[in-house]
Amino acid sequence: DSGVTQTPKHLITATGQRVTLRCSPRSGDLSVYWYQQSLDQGLQFLIQYYNGEERAKGNILERFSAQQFPDLHSELNLSSLELGDSALYFCASSLRLAGGTDTQYFGPGTRLTVL
Amino acid sequence: AQKITQTQPGMFVQEKEAVTLDCTYDTSDPSYGLFWYKQPSSGEMIFLIYQGSYDQQNATEGRYSLNFQKARKSANLVISASQLGDSAMYFCAMRERRDDKIIFGKGTRLHILP
Repeated sequence: DSGVTQTPKHLITATGQRVTLRCSPRSGDLSVYWYQQSLDQGLQFLIQYYNGEERAKGNILERFSAQQFPDLHSELNLSSLELGDSALYFCASSLRLAGGTDTQYFGPGTRLTVL
Repeated sequence: AQKITQTQPGMFVQEKEAVTLDCTYDTSDPSYGLFWYKQPSSGEMIFLIYQGSYDQQNATEGRYSLNFQKARKSANLVISASQLGDSAMYFCAMRERRDDKIIFGKGTRLHILP
């Protein structure tokens, strides 16, 4: 158990809908990262927050947004869902902001299926 | 250009044998970290081992060791005395100091045979 929690574990929805994925980082970790894992794209970094502030953006679509709340939990919002958004979405957390060597610990993931 | 290359899409290894999973990387940042993660069929990503670019010694964690060859930009994972539970997808990843995200390779699927 990494200490990172994600809810829900599974999510099935229809095209055009909007969903929210939730992540609670390990106790004491200030950075939260979101990744998308799909069969064709592999593991892709989406976005990072540090202590409530957006820190880095990766291959995140405009239909997707995220935020980190004062209690440090984070939510990833996916809207106008398309079939291609079906994937495993991971949240990871780490203690520090940078340093290049800070280990990220992953949550169990949310499997999103768009029908 | 790919920053992390894992050339073995799949491997079959007999139980109790040692396994080496290959990983090469590309970076111009002198400060970086290298990571290996395991993803079993259940889907979670499990952190295995970390090597810093300035570390003088190869990292070890139990049965896992990282064969770090900096000049060759190679960071192979060695699993000693493999077990059936080692069957999983293994990802090599890198994080540069100037950046915060982790870049993952495409992974190697390891099958341990009884």
